[in-house]
Amino acid sequence: DAGVIQSPRHEVTEMGQEVTLRCKPISGHNSLFWYRQTMMRGLELLIYFNNNVPIDDSGMPEDRFSAKMPNASFSTLKIQPSEPRDSAVYFCASSLQAGNTGELFFGEGSRLTVL
Amino acid sequence: GQSLEQPSEVTAVEGAIVQINCTYQTSGFYGLSWYQQHDGGAPTFLSYNALDGLEETGRFSSFLSRSDSYGYLLLQELQMKDSASYFCAAPFGGQNFVFGPGTRLSVLP
Repeated sequence: DAGVIQSPRHEVTEMGQEVTLRCKPISGHNSLFWYRQTMMRGLELLIYFNNNVPIDDSGMPEDRFSAKMPNASFSTLKIQPSEPRDSAVYFCASSLQAGNTGELFFGEGSRLTVL
Repeated sequence: GQSLEQPSEVTAVEGAIVQINCTYQTSGFYGLSWYQQHDGGAPTFLSYNALDGLEETGRFSSFLSRSDSYGYLLLQELQMKDSASYFCAAPFGGQNFVFGPGTRLSVLP
């Protein structure tokens, strides 16, 4: 299995630009999570989907952030417009019955730098 | 609330044993997971305790006490490659997977 695949691995953009991060979960997994990691705030859960449906987006920092999961094999996290404080590593993770196994499978992350 | 607490840093020498503690809020608690993350890498799963007691996986063990809202990760026979950040995490309500702030472990020669 290829694991969770994220793209791009690195993105450098200017303030005000739109950023789209992409994630392909492991085939057969029914839950998908988006996290943001910074030194100051650690690993923050932004949003998670179950069977392609957003369950809890209370972690999304503000309206500039949006996430979609149009099908079981693809999700996007969009930031529009981006700001320097959005600079972070964004991780996507997927799981099958994480409540029973406690196991999330993480992608390698997308490192975002907003100038 | 749904939060976890753990020490920010731990230092130990090669060959030693180290314990990383984690306390958590009980609302919606299902079980306690542990993850390892090396600098520049992604978190990787180590263990999960759904029930009270000790789970052993090679050099790593994890413990949970629901009555004390407390768990720990025990690393034995420390190696230099164990230098990393360790996170406790919990699937509150079975889905809301929240991570603790992380403990940075430094293993000295």
